[in-house]
Amino acid sequence: GAVVSQHPSWVICKSGTSVKIECRSLDFQATTMFWYRQFPKQSLMLMATSNEGSKATYEQGVEKDKFLINHASLTLSTLTVTSAHPEDSSFYICSARDRGDPGGKLFFGSGTQLSVL
Amino acid sequence: GESVGLHLPTLSVQEGDNSIINCAYSNSASDYFIWYKQESGKGPQFIIDIRSNMDKRQGQRVTVLLNKTVKHLSLQIAATQPGDSAVYFCAENVWNQGGKLIFGQGTELSVKP
Repeated sequence: GAVVSQHPSWVICKSGTSVKIECRSLDFQATTMFWYRQFPKQSLMLMATSNEGSKATYEQGVEKDKFLINHASLTLSTLTVTSAHPEDSSFYICSARDRGDPGGKLFFGSGTQLSVL
Repeated sequence: GESVGLHLPTLSVQEGDNSIINCAYSNSASDYFIWYKQESGKGPQFIIDIRSNMDKRQGQRVTVLLNKTVKHLSLQIAATQPGDSAVYFCAENVWNQGGKLIFGQGTELSVKP
């Protein structure tokens, strides 16, 4: 089946630093990828839709200058948490849809646990 | 629908029993629904899906029922096993919003041996 690789799987950083998370579709091309955030014992909250070659679409309440998304190719989207603070500590998950199956299922990465000290 | 800020309800069943997990969705424009299983520290794992032109779909040990009238979805797991213990989420594909997937509240399933 289709594989989405997310890296790193966990990261610890100091407050004020920036962290980049990568999401790659390994065996398919994805014009659209989605970024989610999940707090403990809660559901996945959609943060933004990453569109290849254009600007990301952010959900209401998500700061676009804080969470920078770049989708430079059909197989890679990155999420950069800028000037991270302890409240940004969370589990971040990416997902991608095969461009050849636009109405089909999303494939998920394994997630990145971010801890900001 | 969106469930930010809510904590997960739990369902506890005995090994071998059947489990039923329910989910309400909110958007009438949703045309595709998926159930995911999530284990601690991992990303969601696809279980089964159903399109809006169907009301029932069966997989191996799992069945999904869709009631569009009341915007309700359920997941039935037959002969529940300890390995089924996880959090289960339903998700709705909102086709008129770029095909984004919105997750429901989730239910934590605990299987007693």
